[in-house]
Amino acid sequence: ETGVTQSPTHLIKTRGQQVTLRCSSQSGHNTVSWYQQALGQGPQFIFQYYREEENGRGNFPPRFSGLQFPNYSSELNVNALELDDSALYLCASSPGGGHGYTFGSGTRLTVV
Amino acid sequence: DAKTTQPNSMESNEEEPVHLPCNHSTISGTDYIHWYRQLPSQGPEYVIHGLTSNVNNRMASLAIAEDRKSSTLILHRATLRDAAVYYCILRDYQETSGSRLTFGEGTQLTVNP
Repeated sequence: ETGVTQSPTHLIKTRGQQVTLRCSSQSGHNTVSWYQQALGQGPQFIFQYYREEENGRGNFPPRFSGLQFPNYSSELNVNALELDDSALYLCASSPGGGHGYTFGSGTRLTVV
Repeated sequence: DAKTTQPNSMESNEEEPVHLPCNHSTISGTDYIHWYRQLPSQGPEYVIHGLTSNVNNRMASLAIAEDRKSSTLILHRATLRDAAVYYCILRDYQETSGSRLTFGEGTQLTVNP
């Protein structure tokens, strides 16, 4: 097992810019979810992909979008960055069927 | 999403057992009970999950009440490396429902040497 790999680990962007975060899922996992974790809080669900289709979305605006590729890797795109978007972004993958998720170490995004 | 209730913090001594409680009175029949923990500056780590029966793995044990309205995560011998925020989460196993992990505040576990 290779686990979940996220890139980059840290990123600084300017307000109004766009950012793409990448995630390589654990082998054999067809479900990937993205979470935003502000400092001192629990992770908040952004959206989930199952076999390349979005099948769940949290309370985030449309400028948060994503993709899942045939090899089950994934991207999170955020347009028109705001200062409040500064957070740790976590990717998690699962084989489905109620089983547990494997999380990556996250990407720390700072918007200035 | 069904909600869970956990104590904000708990304290334990090294090498002693720790029982972390979780209440989930609105659990539905298709919800699995998941536990994750998060160490500082790391992503959450899966600990254990179960549906109805008690579960054991190399990390911990999960005791589920007969009515499934509460559960307890048991660390048999706490170590300093077990100090973390522990989250109890309900997850619907029906994949097409777009199931997600809804994190609450969690329990901050402190382990004293």
